[in-house]
Amino acid sequence: QQQVKQSPQSLIVQKGGISIINCAYENTAFDYFPWYQQFPGKGPALLIAIRPDVSEKKEGRFTISFNKSAKQFSLHIMDSQPGDSATYFCAASMGGAGGGNKLTFGTGTQLKVEL
Amino acid sequence: SAVISQKPSRDICQRGTSLTIQCQVDSQVTMMFWYRQQPGQSLTLIATANQGSEATYESGFVIDKFPISRPNLTFSTLTVSNMSPEDSSIYLCSVPPGTGSHYTFGSGTRLTVV
Repeated sequence: QQQVKQSPQSLIVQKGGISIINCAYENTAFDYFPWYQQFPGKGPALLIAIRPDVSEKKEGRFTISFNKSAKQFSLHIMDSQPGDSATYFCAASMGGAGGGNKLTFGTGTQLKVEL
Repeated sequence: SAVISQKPSRDICQRGTSLTIQCQVDSQVTMMFWYRQQPGQSLTLIATANQGSEATYESGFVIDKFPISRPNLTFSTLTVSNMSPEDSSIYLCSVPPGTGSHYTFGSGTRLTVV
């Protein structure tokens, strides 16, 4: 059972545009929602993460929006750059960032930013 | 956050053979996770490795196929046994966050079985 659903599967955005990736979860016990960025040949690297007690978190050009009632969260990349071209994964876990519980990953979004 | 050294980074193996992947962490961690990422797919948890006890495997993964060792709090190995082309994937280890940090991943092992 896929507990975290991610869309779209792939995304093409023009340089300077906004990239938006959406995720939905089923398990209401999830309380930690990170986004990972993965370049070819590399392991996933944490981009930004949020807990359900806030509705939005911004770090530079990256923003997570969180809707607890809808069980959805999204990643917005403002002023998208060619260097942002990568695969993005949303994830969720229980027990908070320090809980040590396993991450459940979304299916991934392949982002390409064109000049 | 912890730093993980994973090796080998890639390998091409003959079917029927086994490959052992190593992960070394720069700090002591109670749990280590092993993931598989099939081509173009998401990450799927294989097992959770705790030091001093047997690993806990997720549904669809068995110890005979993916034996794990966890001899101390900074090191773990995953063996992919009796390999077939279907085992061609990226294998990643991960450690959970400590206070104020986050889950960290190794750089992955890209395995091709021919």
